[in-house]
Amino acid sequence: NAGVTQTPKFQVLKTGQSMTLQCAQDMNHEYMSWYRQDPGMGLRLIHYSVGAGITDQGEVPNGYNVSRSTTEDFPLRLLSAAPSQTSVYFCASSPGTGMNIQYFGAGTRLSVL
Amino acid sequence: AQSVTQPDIHITVSEGASLELRCNYSYGATPYLFWYVQSPGQGLQLLLKYFSGDTLVQGIKGFEAEFKRSQSSFNLRKPSVHWSDAAEYFCAVGPFTGGGNKLTFGTGTQLKVEL
Repeated sequence: NAGVTQTPKFQVLKTGQSMTLQCAQDMNHEYMSWYRQDPGMGLRLIHYSVGAGITDQGEVPNGYNVSRSTTEDFPLRLLSAAPSQTSVYFCASSPGTGMNIQYFGAGTRLSVL
Repeated sequence: AQSVTQPDIHITVSEGASLELRCNYSYGATPYLFWYVQSPGQGLQLLLKYFSGDTLVQGIKGFEAEFKRSQSSFNLRKPSVHWSDAAEYFCAVGPFTGGGNKLTFGTGTQLKVEL
């Protein structure tokens, strides 16, 4: 049972480049979300989705886009990377839209030079 | 807006000693409360949660936490720490009504265990 899978694990970008962080879950969870983790700041919510075709902004959405075309996948797009987006990114999923346990992926460590 | 405070950035304990990690939250009603653990290079793993009922909750790996409404606290405890408990610990709060699954995390407490 894979759970929540994030790819890639590590990525280095130059300022202005674009990329997509992939997140897939095989638990048929409705809810998926993206967080970024920065030293001394804990995890902050970027975007979330309550089901296929439905997304919404979290606490720090600027510079990021998301879409949810299937239940399984929830990619995070950086259209023009900036050094301020250097961070560790975590994807999470949970079974419903009530307050359920969230299951986290192993993270993607991104450096923007 | 909800918020979570973990006042201790770093804590060092000796193996076998007891542990208490502090967590205070700010929220207008009864929240859902969680403790997660993150080992180096890993994602977050749920240790325990409080939704309602008994205010002392048991989790995995011998951890427990007590919800104290009067103090707006949800402190994590373990009677005897093992070297493998060295990790970063995050307290999180979620809204009791509405808000879906959006969690607000504290800034984390890094636990070091001395042998």
